[in-house]
Amino acid sequence: EAGVAQSPRYKIIEKRQSVAFWCNPISGHATLYWYQQILGQGPKLLIQFQNNGVVDDSQLPKDRFSAERLKGVDSTLKIQPAKLEDSAVYLCASSLGQISNQPQHFGDGTRLSIL
Amino acid sequence: AQSVTQPDIHITVSEGASLELRCNYSYGATPYLFWYVQSPGQGLQLLLKYFSGDTLVQGIKGFEAEFKRSQSSFNLRKPSVHWSDAAEYFCAVGPREYGNKLVFGAGTILRVKS
Repeated sequence: EAGVAQSPRYKIIEKRQSVAFWCNPISGHATLYWYQQILGQGPKLLIQFQNNGVVDDSQLPKDRFSAERLKGVDSTLKIQPAKLEDSAVYLCASSLGQISNQPQHFGDGTRLSIL
Repeated sequence: AQSVTQPDIHITVSEGASLELRCNYSYGATPYLFWYVQSPGQGLQLLLKYFSGDTLVQGIKGFEAEFKRSQSSFNLRKPSVHWSDAAEYFCAVGPREYGNKLVFGAGTILRVKS
């Protein structure tokens, strides 16, 4: 089966600019996650979708971050405007559902550098 | 609040030597437990998971982990390390109830000496 696809792989922008990341989950996976992984830290959940609805966005900085999954498949994460502390790898993951014994499968991530 | 502690930031072992990576968690009840591996520039790959039953679980690539409830630990082991095992390893916990939200440790970077 095809894995979780993410693009772009790398992005360099200046602070205060905007950026968007795209994720295509594994076919049939209803639950999609966006994580932020800062250098030297483990991934931190930003937002979780079940189909096209938001399950948890409690750790998403909503003043600058937004995410959508309009048709319940692909998802886009946007940052506007970017700050220096947003430099990180942004990982997308998907799972069959929200039952906790359904493992999450991760994409290769987008590495974002803010100048 | 849930938390995961991986006390070793870096570990270096010689190829062929045994390996143990430590993981301790703080959680309201016994969670689901996971180990993931991340090679440079790649996403996380699931090595193994513990849900219930036998406290010694086997995973891919020759890894195993042991759940010790009394110590709130879930240490990862491998009897003989290969150079290709060099990567970063993350322990994670998830709730037994509905939700599938993972909390990750900060990771341990494994270096393998030839």
